[in-house]
This record gives sequence, C-alpha cells and structure tokens, in this order.
Amino acid sequence: GQQLNQSPQSMFIQEGEDVSMNCTSSSIFNTWLWYKQEPGEGPVLLIALYKAGELTSNGRLTAQFGITRKDSFLNISASIPSDVGIYFCAGQRSNTDKLIFGTGTRLQVFP
Amino acid sequence: GAVVSQHPSRVICKSGTSVKIECRSLDFQATTMFWYRQFPKQSLMLMATSNEGSKATYEQGVEKDKFLINHASLTLSTLTVTSAHPEDSSFYICSARDGRGYSTDTQYFGPGTRLTVL
Repeated sequence: GQQLNQSPQSMFIQEGEDVSMNCTSSSIFNTWLWYKQEPGEGPVLLIALYKAGELTSNGRLTAQFGITRKDSFLNISASIPSDVGIYFCAGQRSNTDKLIFGTGTRLQVFP
Repeated sequence: GAVVSQHPSRVICKSGTSVKIECRSLDFQATTMFWYRQFPKQSLMLMATSNEGSKATYEQGVEKDKFLINHASLTLSTLTVTSAHPEDSSFYICSARDGRGYSTDTQYFGPGTRLTVL
C-alpha cells in the first residue's frame, strides 16, 4: 500500500534542543495528522490539520499543513526525555475514512 | 477522552490455529472501526475497514477469508486470523472513529495486540 515519506528516519538529540521533521507525498491530502507511538502501544494523536497553510500548536508541538497540500511539518521545541518515540504523519483525502501513514521518524532524546 | 481497548494484548499460538482479537470503544459508539497491521520497525498499514452491520472492506492484498472481521455492535469489532502462520506474526492495531460519521471525525487507536505464531 501507499506510504508517505518522512524525514529524517531517525534523530538523536540532546535534551533542550528543538526538533523538526517533515512528511511528503506525491499527491494531495485534505487532512494531515501527526501521531506519536511508544513501544508496544498504539499511536496517540498529537495534532490534526484541516486546511492548507494552517499552523497549529499543542504545547511544545507545532505542526503545519503545507500550502501545496502535499506535505506537512512537525516541530518540537525544547525537547525532553519523554518525547522519545516514533512520530508518524498520516494523510487523509476528502470523502474517505482511510488514513495513509508515513514511514515514521524515530526520536531519541539524551539527557 | 475517547478510549479504545483491545484484547488480548499479547497472544502466542501454534501454526494452523485461529486467533480472535477484540476491539472495543469504551465510552463512545463507533459505526466504523479500522484494522491495521504493523511489522517490526515499520509503519501502520491499513488492512480493512469495519462497518457496523455490514461486510468489511478489505485493502488490496489482504485476504478476506484469512482475516475475518465482524462488527456486530457499535462498540465491538473482532478480527480473527484463521489458520495462522509465522508470517502472520505482527502487531495488530484497531482504531475507532468517534463522531457523527463524517470522514474528518477523529480516529482513536487501541493499544495493539502482539501476535506471535510459532
């Protein structure tokens, strides 16, 4: 099945640093979602974006819906150890329930 | 917030046996539930969409006779892996859509079920 490309594939950063990751697609989506998954658990929704150009924050997390509707970005400011996990983007087209997930970005935060 | 549970959380079975996984929406009704499979260090891949009271819709390449889905109530969907083989070993995750049935309604994910087939 189709997957969205995420970069970077993995990140190893020091506590306090800011993090940026992105998700790209060859086709347009009407909704972009960002999830975090910890080992052995299901993904948890972080941010949902519904409009091209939209910029939405959730605490230290900020995500943007690209104006081309083919990409999205997630930033985490002042990272902390509990930010460790795998971050997935997911795209959804109009009039469909289906989510298409990205390849994931694995984040490691060192104290 | 909306909570989705799965049971069991882990299951180990012998090759050739069948395994049933339950997905429940605990505090909301879900007309639509989704089943995903995730292999180690990979992303989630949608297997099928489960609609209450009707047949599930399977993604291309997913065998409907092998992965039986039943969505008999607004709070319960089950996935049965029939005649399981080692290559079916994976992390199976369900999600349930909370809302009035619009495609933009939020999907909430269960904690997943780790299936190991010996």
